[in-house]
Amino acid sequence: QVQLVQSGAEVKKPGASVKVSCKASGFTFTTYGISWVRQAPGQGLEWMGWISVYNGNTDYAQKFQGRVTMTTDTSTSTAYMELRSLRSDDTAVYYCARKTTSTIDYWGQGTLVTVSS
Amino acid sequence: QPVLTQSSSASASLGSSVKLTCTLSSGHSSYIIAWHQQQPGKAPRYLMKVENSGSYNKGSGVPDRFSGSSSGADRYLTISNLQSEDEADYYCETWDSRVFGGGTKLTVL
Repeated sequence: QVQLVQSGAEVKKPGASVKVSCKASGFTFTTYGISWVRQAPGQGLEWMGWISVYNGNTDYAQKFQGRVTMTTDTSTSTAYMELRSLRSDDTAVYYCARKTTSTIDYWGQGTLVTVSS
Repeated sequence: QPVLTQSSSASASLGSSVKLTCTLSSGHSSYIIAWHQQQPGKAPRYLMKVENSGSYNKGSGVPDRFSGSSSGADRYLTISNLQSEDEADYYCETWDSRVFGGGTKLTVL
């Protein structure tokens, strides 16, 4: 069965970086994209960007341009999202999700990132 | 880029039906959307994608009580025979996951 298993919760200080992993199983990793979506406490879903696992092409939301990097390791079927220069308003649950040619069809369990001094 | 509009809340009684709406902005009425359910404290779960034609394609394990439809720029999610576990936030998504609606909080009375 399709599974996306994310790394554990993180606590970071303002200005630091965080790298969240997302290990995929149960499908051919290279034939999909991986989207990253975050959800601040009590808020809705916010798209951060996505990466084509096939060719590594990325598309980042303008809001995160210059601060985010999405990568994949096809040898381990793992996707990564690194967010730099963290601020308190980056405190959120970060989700990876499998993206088909049109929409998301599977979600990871989420990773809570807390930014606090 | 498209914008998705959802009502912030909805409510219906246990065992009844409810129809949630997601409206695409002007000029984007042909877009495919997906519906996702987020129960309290859990990750979102993909329910289905709905096409402009009204055809829909459900995810694995989604009960038959859930169905989709379409009319113009509106995409619908209908839940029949409401159960307590259907109380959740429902989000629509489009444009290769770039755009999400604000979500509808469904309360089962």
